[in-house]
Amino acid sequence: DAGVIQSPRHEVTEMGQEVTLRCKPISGHDYLFWYRQTMMRGLELLIYFNNNVPIDDSGMPEDRFSAKMPNASFSTLKIQPSEPRDSAVYFCASSGQPGVKFFGSGTQLSVL
Amino acid sequence: GEDVEQSLFLSVREGDSSVINCTYTDSSSTYLYWYKQEPGAGLQLLTYIFSNMDMKQDQRLTVLLNKKDKHLSLRIADTQTGDSAIYFCAVPNSNSGYALNFGKGTSLLVTP
Repeated sequence: DAGVIQSPRHEVTEMGQEVTLRCKPISGHDYLFWYRQTMMRGLELLIYFNNNVPIDDSGMPEDRFSAKMPNASFSTLKIQPSEPRDSAVYFCASSGQPGVKFFGSGTQLSVL
Repeated sequence: GEDVEQSLFLSVREGDSSVINCTYTDSSSTYLYWYKQEPGAGLQLLTYIFSNMDMKQDQRLTVLLNKKDKHLSLRIADTQTGDSAIYFCAVPNSNSGYALNFGKGTSLLVTP
């Protein structure tokens, strides 16, 4: 298996633009997580899905953020409109058992 | 939510032992985890310990757990320059064992 695949690896955009981050989890994993990593706040859980259903989105910062998982092999995290304070590394992870997560390489987002 | 605290930096010389410490607040955790993040990469599960154990050894890694003090440590024997990375302590979220709360990470620098 190729592991968790995220795209793009880097995204540079201007404030106000829509940003879409993509994730393909490991086949067979029924949990998918979106995390955000910054120097100040560390690693924050934004939302996670079980069997494509959002279970806990309490970490989503505000209404500008939305996440979907239309099927077992694909998820998106969308920010609309983006702001400079959204600049961070966004990680997707998948899991087939508690605690053992496999992380993607992340998307480095810069909002100018 | 649970607090997971780690020191931010540790510097050791090649060949010495490294000890990375972590404290947490939620005592109901069944498993506790250590993840490693190399530059530009996602987090990788390094090792974990079940809460009814007080020690686990895996090659150069030793995990010590003091449940009474809610203290977890990771010891790396014969530290190599390739061990330089950020190490994260993680405990299950009390609302869901599938979601983890991470510390802010300890940056380990190994000097020749």
